[in-house]
Parts: sequence; C-alpha cells; structure tokens
Amino acid sequence: QKEVEQDPGPLSVPEGAIVSLNCTYSNSAFQYFMWYRQYSRKGPELLMYTYSSGNKEDGRFTAQVDKSSKYISLFIRDSQPSDSATYLCAMTAGNRDDKIIFGKGTRLHILP
Amino acid sequence: NAGVTQTPKFQVLKTGQSMTLQCAQDMNHEYMSWYRQDPGMGLRLIHYSVGAGITDQGEVPNGYNVSRSTTEDFPLRLLSAAPSQTSVYFCASSYRVYTGELFFGEGSRLTVL
Repeated sequence: QKEVEQDPGPLSVPEGAIVSLNCTYSNSAFQYFMWYRQYSRKGPELLMYTYSSGNKEDGRFTAQVDKSSKYISLFIRDSQPSDSATYLCAMTAGNRDDKIIFGKGTRLHILP
Repeated sequence: NAGVTQTPKFQVLKTGQSMTLQCAQDMNHEYMSWYRQDPGMGLRLIHYSVGAGITDQGEVPNGYNVSRSTTEDFPLRLLSAAPSQTSVYFCASSYRVYTGELFFGEGSRLTVL
C-alpha cells in the first residue's frame, strides 16, 4: 500500500460547482497536512495547511482532515476557471527527520 | 520579494555532459531541497539540506551531487547526464521542514538527448 494515494483525474466540472479533492494515507503518524496548487509549467504553491484533525477555511477553500479514516479533503466553492490546476496533497509526521510525502496530484479543469 | 530562484529555466544536454542547476533563496530558510517531477511519478526528493554544511540523500539521489556552503544557495550537479534524468527539477525551501510548509521555485526543465 502506498503511503499517500490521490486520484490523478482529470476532473472536469462546470464553473460555479463545488469541487471535492481527496487523498488517503496509511501512516497514522502523519500530523501535518497540506494542499499545494500547481499551475501548468509553474512550481507548486502552498494553498492550505492543517495540523491534526478538523477543518480549516480560507475564502472559497476548505481543508478537512479525518485522521480516524486516514482521509483528507479539499473543497472549492464557487469554482472559477482560474482554479484549473493540479492539486497535490502532502503530509508529514512533523519530526525533524521526517520526510514530506506528496500525492501524485489531481488535475482539475473548471469549464466556463 | 524574490523567494526561491532557479536557473536555468530550460536546458538541453547531451548524454555524458555535466551541468549545475542553481537555486537561491532570500528568506533565510534553514531547509532546502531538490525534487524532480515526472509524469505519473509525482514529486520525488533527490537531496536535501537542513543547514549550511549539511546535506543528505532523498529518495532518488543517484547521479546527482549537492553542496550547501551558504544558507542562501543549494546547487544541484549532474555529473554525467543520462536520458533518464530528463525531468522538471524543483528547488524548495522551508523555515521549518517538519511542518511541511515548502516554498518552491519555478522549476528547471532539463532534456538529456
């Protein structure tokens, strides 16, 4: 079983729809959970950051962590064409020698 | 506010040639790292450094060397380029790596013929 699993997509949704992106993981030691957004031919940029379980909201974006199910989600409300990008989940246990484990990314297309 | 700067953005090499990808950050970050990104493989860690004078191997270190003589710079050297090293390379830095908050450069697209 891979440490982090993420559906590669592509996922195509109409403008204005609610988007749900998900990752599952196997390592119960993970404590820090991130979502990175990567536009075509650009570097990833940190979009959302969550520590432990719970929800975090930032504008149209909500990150959700369910440690009991080892499942994290990113919701995008009122999706815009500018949200079209690849979204990578990432996580780490949070100790100095721990590596950051990335999902392979989900390609998202918002259709005007 | 430069952040993480990578050069060059594009490079074409012939098999066996050597080159250095440059990475510089102006955020006084302790942690710097190099990733390669290939279709279907995601981001894979090549080498990383937790401070000046300290480097360590990541997931795919073979064929690459790094050094960290200053806090700001973390060059990646390809000693003898191979077609398997055709990829997009990203440098990333962080104030505290263990929280996962990485700042990435724009990437260097390398083709080895």
